[in-house]
Amino acid sequence: SQQGEEDPQALSIQEGENATMNCSYKTSINNLQWYRQNSGRGLVHLILIRSNEREKHSGRLRVTLDTSKKSSSLLITASRAADTASYFCAPPGGEYGQNFVFGPGTRLSVLP
Amino acid sequence: DVKVTQSSRYLVKRTGEKVFLECVQDMDHENMFWYRQDPGLGLRLIYFSYDVKMKEKGDIPEGYSVSREKKERFSLILESASTNQTSMYLCASSLKGQGGYGYTFGSGTRLTVV
Repeated sequence: SQQGEEDPQALSIQEGENATMNCSYKTSINNLQWYRQNSGRGLVHLILIRSNEREKHSGRLRVTLDTSKKSSSLLITASRAADTASYFCAPPGGEYGQNFVFGPGTRLSVLP
Repeated sequence: DVKVTQSSRYLVKRTGEKVFLECVQDMDHENMFWYRQDPGLGLRLIYFSYDVKMKEKGDIPEGYSVSREKKERFSLILESASTNQTSMYLCASSLKGQGGYGYTFGSGTRLTVV
């Protein structure tokens, strides 16, 4: 069954540095999404990348997708303390891809 | 500002109680979902619904039921609460389509069963 798994589990960087998080999934997809969760709150949708896209940008976020390796990465450039959160990749799951599957996430800490 | 509203942020219930968690969205979304989130396990899908009065089991439906009488409201019911149902519960909604639309999440309900 489908599963999204983020790596590393935790990441600690200084403000201004770039942060890279990776995601692997098991079965073929037509799109993949990334979400952010601030401590104790709901998740916020960041970006969707479709299977025919290799790279997508949104502000300081850059997402790549390699369908041959069943992997994706999220890069946050020039990180800020406010980027401290957990980040989740979510490939579609279920029989018809009608829902998303979330892994345990990457916990990012950006130190001032 | 469009949103998904969960009725309670924190809830404490006793073992054996029947518990109702309410979720309302104002975006006219067809799909609605209930997840629970536990440390180290990520989000696990309990139930989802893609239309009024329709429901589908997710990965961990045991001990739960749902109700969707109106498009905007999706309720999660714990028939007889147990301590292993202590968790963060997250409601989400999305437009219909095979995974092509992002979820909008509520702020979550942290349920403690004592």
